[in-house]
Amino acid sequence: DTGVSQDPRHKITKRGQNVTFRCDPISEHNRLYWYRQTLGQGPEFLTYFQNEAQLEKSRLLSDRFSAERPKGSFSTLEIQRTEQGDSAMYLCASSFGPATDTQYFGPGTRLTVL
Amino acid sequence: AQKITQTQPGMFVQEKEAVTLDCTYDTSDQSYGLFWYKQPSSGEMIFLIYQGSYDEQNATEGRYSLNFQKARKSANLVISASQLGDSAMYFCAMREGQAVYTNAGKSTFGDGTTLTVKP
Repeated sequence: DTGVSQDPRHKITKRGQNVTFRCDPISEHNRLYWYRQTLGQGPEFLTYFQNEAQLEKSRLLSDRFSAERPKGSFSTLEIQRTEQGDSAMYLCASSFGPATDTQYFGPGTRLTVL
Repeated sequence: AQKITQTQPGMFVQEKEAVTLDCTYDTSDQSYGLFWYKQPSSGEMIFLIYQGSYDEQNATEGRYSLNFQKARKSANLVISASQLGDSAMYFCAMREGQAVYTNAGKSTFGDGTTLTVKP
């Protein structure tokens, strides 16, 4: 069990470019979550998958954001036409079992939009 | 409305002493879970301790304990015998009853408390 992994760890892009992040959850975990964290604040929920189904999306997730989990394993988060306000840490978490079970977080992808 | 409130932006503690990090929450659900996470400067969120709303006893995990006062809607984290490695950001989080029943489990986080342990 290697834990939740995320790739890349850092991404610098120019405004208007598209970026894609990947998350590999813990292998037996069926739930996968994306959060966004800006400096000095706690993580904010973006979206949630149970297996391959995207069950919930935050209002924070504008139409420039899309997430997929095609085979119920890894997930991708794409941001189109990036804006400077998208600069943040994007955290992925996974869990298994009852909903109150612990979510295990990955190391995050830090996005900087110039 | 803020659902998780952490009123201490920064805290200092002397090595080997105990420290309490405050967390209050707001919910109308009867069923919910409360969590504490540690986030060192490396950025990874590390789970510390969990308290369910129906748990009658306060949760403990090693040097961490959760002082759960349901009527006051507070879930303070107590760290005993502080170590230099405890210096980090600490987040309180909650998952509410609706999420429990639908198995969604999204967490709402506070803005965190930065703990600095002094040698």
